[in-house]
Amino acid sequence: DAKTTQPNSMESNEEEPVHLPCNHSTISGTDYIHWYRQLPSQGPEYVIHGLTSNVNNRMASLAIAEDRKSSTLILHRATLRDAAVYYCILRSPRNSGNTPLVFGKGTRLSVIA
Amino acid sequence: KAGVTQTPRYLIKTRGQQVTLSCSPISGHRSVSWYQQTPGQGLQFLFEYFSETQRNKGNFPGRFSGRQFSNSRSEMNVSTLELGDSALYLCASSALSGGFYNEQFFGPGTRLTVL
Repeated sequence: DAKTTQPNSMESNEEEPVHLPCNHSTISGTDYIHWYRQLPSQGPEYVIHGLTSNVNNRMASLAIAEDRKSSTLILHRATLRDAAVYYCILRSPRNSGNTPLVFGKGTRLSVIA
Repeated sequence: KAGVTQTPRYLIKTRGQQVTLSCSPISGHRSVSWYQQTPGQGLQFLFEYFSETQRNKGNFPGRFSGRQFSNSRSEMNVSTLELGDSALYLCASSALSGGFYNEQFFGPGTRLTVL
């Protein structure tokens, strides 16, 4: 599986935008980029995913570089509830079964009031 | 719609014992995956079941096994427990299998402590 590289930790002030980077220089043409986050004492939750084009949903935006070797998860206005570990994950097609989520260390986001 | 439920939430066992954990997926979801989370290794994939069949398996010893019932509920079993099996065991469900973009919905996990 292609690997991702994320900063260990980041800090943001409340109500400011947050840009969480992810490098995936060995991404293949069919890999989807997924983001999950894990809030304290909870299981991970899906945030967003994309292939080539930038994506938006109610939680966040995903900006994908033109060469797809990096991406950025954007939280437009961080709240205290956004403090979590954010995981950038690549998923490749499989013939059988779902592609398992391969979690790295992720980025621990702290939000300061 | 109820989320993924896991029972029990906490469990304490001693070395050599066996344990069974249960997961009820979101209604209508037929794929159930299991993950182990430890401070040292992070989140690691154990296996996935769909329609009572194991579709994928991670790199864990045979002491770790699972099964899925006709109502999509799943159980995982760990035999001959070792201290290193202490972890948070997470179950995730998704509507489909055979996809690489299917969103997975995680339960709160079962915290297993092996003494």
